[in-house]
Amino acid sequence: DAKTTQPNSMESNEEEPVHLPCNHSTISGTDYIHWYRQLPSQGPEYVIHGLTSNVNNRMASLAIAEDRKSSTLILHRATLRDAAVYYCILRDVVGDSNYQLIWGAGTKLIIKP
Amino acid sequence: NAGVMQNPRHLVRRRGQEARLRCSPMKGHSHVYWYRQLPEEGLKFMVYLQKENIIDESGMPKERFSAEFPKEGPSILRIQQVVRGDSAAYFCASSQTGPTGARSNEQFFGPGTRLTVL
Repeated sequence: DAKTTQPNSMESNEEEPVHLPCNHSTISGTDYIHWYRQLPSQGPEYVIHGLTSNVNNRMASLAIAEDRKSSTLILHRATLRDAAVYYCILRDVVGDSNYQLIWGAGTKLIIKP
Repeated sequence: NAGVMQNPRHLVRRRGQEARLRCSPMKGHSHVYWYRQLPEEGLKFMVYLQKENIIDESGMPKERFSAEFPKEGPSILRIQQVVRGDSAAYFCASSQTGPTGARSNEQFFGPGTRLTVL
């Protein structure tokens, strides 16, 4: 399975933008890039996903490098409620086991008031 | 529209007892997934079920663990003769569709059951 690499933790000030990087140098052409986040003591929550083009939704933006070997999750204005562990996950949509989300350790985002 | 529900939220068992974890998927979802999470780690896939069928149980230990998703009622993850190493958070997720190619097949997660084995 393709793997992702994320920093263990990042800090940011409240109401400032946050850029969470993810490296996936072995990504295949049929891998979608998914981001989930997990708030303390809660289940994971879907954030965003994309294939090649940059994506925006109400929660965040996803910037995907042209060669697709890396991506960045952008929180435009972080609040204290955004403090969570953010997971970058590759999902092969044509594989037989594409329902298996392969989770790394994620990036723990700390928001300073 | 209720989300994925799991109960109990916390479960304490002594070594050798049985643990039953229940998961009710979102309305209209017929695909259920179970994951286990140890402290400071990501989730690990255990099993994928559709109604009355186990599709993939490759991530589930062959001994003591079983899962079902009956025609009526919630999905059940059952752990027999629990040991201390079974202590973890167990998350259930559901999706509306299965592996159908380019669809996102977004998985919606429940709040988890935290199992503590004494």
